[in-house]
Amino acid sequence: TQLLEQSPQFLSIQEGENLTVYCNSSSVFSSLQWYRQEPGEGPVLLVTVVTGGEVKKLKRLTFQFGDARKDSSLHITAAQPGDTGLYLCAGARGGGQNFVFGPGTRLSVLP
Amino acid sequence: NAGVTQTPKFRILKIGQSMTLQCTQDMNHNYMYWYRQDPGMGLKLIYYSVGAGITDKGEVPNGYNVSRSTTEDFPLRLELAAPSQTSVYFCATVSSSYEQYFGPGTRLTVT
Repeated sequence: TQLLEQSPQFLSIQEGENLTVYCNSSSVFSSLQWYRQEPGEGPVLLVTVVTGGEVKKLKRLTFQFGDARKDSSLHITAAQPGDTGLYLCAGARGGGQNFVFGPGTRLSVLP
Repeated sequence: NAGVTQTPKFRILKIGQSMTLQCTQDMNHNYMYWYRQDPGMGLKLIYYSVGAGITDKGEVPNGYNVSRSTTEDFPLRLELAAPSQTSVYFCATVSSSYEQYFGPGTRLTVT
């Protein structure tokens, strides 16, 4: 049983389209992180959200943490082929140093 | 700074063999982690360490051992390799602001 669920599992879109991916749990987390992972490499941290309801923007990426700190979303505006990759969310438990990962959303942006 | 380095990048083991996966960081972080990533399953925590001389089990520790004699090094030992240990292994550190930094991974196949 996954503590963190991510949807959709796979997403293939055309360059220029918008998309949203979701990270959901029944557990409360002290913070939540989003990563992007490219083939053959380790995950790279994109953002950390800490406060319920928090919204963070990173260029064309918008991250939101749910009010109850159980879920999060990642919205990409005008997707580009360089956005292609595996997007992972990770919830921090306890003091914030141990993380639980979701299974990821594999995004493919076609030119 | 190299960040987090892992060796080897690839390895094929026969059932019952043993090996050590090496992980070294030059970021002077206290927290270090070992994860495994199976297809479609995200990352699962094997072991972690909060500092030299201190280690603790994660979610999936069976079949593995770790040691932490220095801040920089956190090797992962596989004894009696089994096909179920075929996976990609990632080492990571966490900064004081809870940002995780991952190594490039070791792809292990047990046949």
